[in-house]
Amino acid sequence: QKEVEQDPGPLSVPEGAIVSLNCTYSNSAFQYFMWYRQYSRKGPELLMYTYSSGNKEDGRFTAQVDKSSKYISLFIRDSQPSDSATYLCAMSDGDKVIFGPGTSLSVIP
Amino acid sequence: NAGVMQNPRHLVRRRGQEARLRCSPMKGHSHVYWYRQLPEEGLKFMVYLQKENIIDESGMPKERFSAEFPKEGPSILRIQQVVRGDSAAYFCASSPLTGDGSGYTFGSGTRLTVV
Repeated sequence: QKEVEQDPGPLSVPEGAIVSLNCTYSNSAFQYFMWYRQYSRKGPELLMYTYSSGNKEDGRFTAQVDKSSKYISLFIRDSQPSDSATYLCAMSDGDKVIFGPGTSLSVIP
Repeated sequence: NAGVMQNPRHLVRRRGQEARLRCSPMKGHSHVYWYRQLPEEGLKFMVYLQKENIIDESGMPKERFSAEFPKEGPSILRIQQVVRGDSAAYFCASSPLTGDGSGYTFGSGTRLTVV
């Protein structure tokens, strides 16, 4: 079993749709949870950061962490074509950050 | 306010040659991390360095790969005797703090092609 699993997609949605991206993990030592966005030919950029379980909202983006189920989610409301990118979940035990394989998202105008 | 600078952006090497990838962290950041990205596989941790010290190299292949972060100058990821399987995008990240991930800033990567 991989340490972090993520549906690779690709995911294609119409503009304005609600997008749900998910990851599962196996290491119960993970305490810090992140979502990164990566545009083609660019480095990843931090989108959301959460410590332990709970929800965090930032504009159109909501991150959820359920440590009991080892499951994290990112919701994007009112999706825009500019949201088209690869989304990487990431998590850390405070030592180093482990990334999921990424989900490719296309938002169609 | 330059971010993490990686060069070269693209590097082509023939099998058996050496590849040197450079990373200058953000100003004020003393922690450097190298990751390798293959298509459909996400980012794989390779090595974590602080100035003049390798802190964690658990993701680094045992042979042909080495990394350093000298007191002066950029961090260097060195791949000796490259093979086709080394073709990938190599990303460097820096942070002011150790690995909780909150302060990671990535460079734009070096795309290595081995022909």
